[in-house]
Amino acid sequence: GAGVSQSPRYKVTKRGQDVALRCDPISGHVSLYWYRQALGQGPEFLTYFNYEAQQDKSGLPNDRFSAERPEGSISTLTIQRTEQRDSAMYRCASSPQANTEAFFGQGTRLTVV
Amino acid sequence: RKEVEQDPGPFNVPEGATVAFNCTYSNSASQSFFWYRQDCRKEPKLLMSVYSSGNEDGRFTAQLNRASQYISLLIRDSKLSDSATYLCVVGSYSNYQLIWGAGTKLIIKP
Repeated sequence: GAGVSQSPRYKVTKRGQDVALRCDPISGHVSLYWYRQALGQGPEFLTYFNYEAQQDKSGLPNDRFSAERPEGSISTLTIQRTEQRDSAMYRCASSPQANTEAFFGQGTRLTVV
Repeated sequence: RKEVEQDPGPFNVPEGATVAFNCTYSNSASQSFFWYRQDCRKEPKLLMSVYSSGNEDGRFTAQLNRASQYISLLIRDSKLSDSATYLCVVGSYSNYQLIWGAGTKLIIKP
């Protein structure tokens, strides 16, 4: 399809394990955002890429979280040594360029048990 | 004060009525504005961009008031399918970030 694709859709992991969440943006989109969203809240910014450059990672909660977009297309958000408080919906969005409308994937529901 | 603020609602509105809600923003340098719609447990989807001159798309009208730093969304002849959470989004050309409101929940009742 032509939309933003995220995988897996659902991930259940044990506390202490590492997880990698994948985002495949719309082809040609320069900007890529990672968000985390709690129920009843708006998306919470995690990090932003312009092409392959991670221009802001100020929203990442701590150093267990990292993200990359090595070729300026697919991005991976990695959470090391997961904790229960990491359980959330993780959303990826892409846009043609910064500050234009963003298109979201269906998200990855992460549950840490 | 949050950068983008919305009344969380819920707004309970009878079918066929007109409903409006606002979103205020704190950064006067903001240049791009959007309304998104989010259904329960789904991803946000763009409803409409908000232009300086305001814009209309069918039953939906969006307005921007730069002086008072708010944007509004008006829904006319509301339908049951309009029930959703409406998210306000503001962007600034000085950075890339899109700042999201927490959303306003709208419930249309038959």
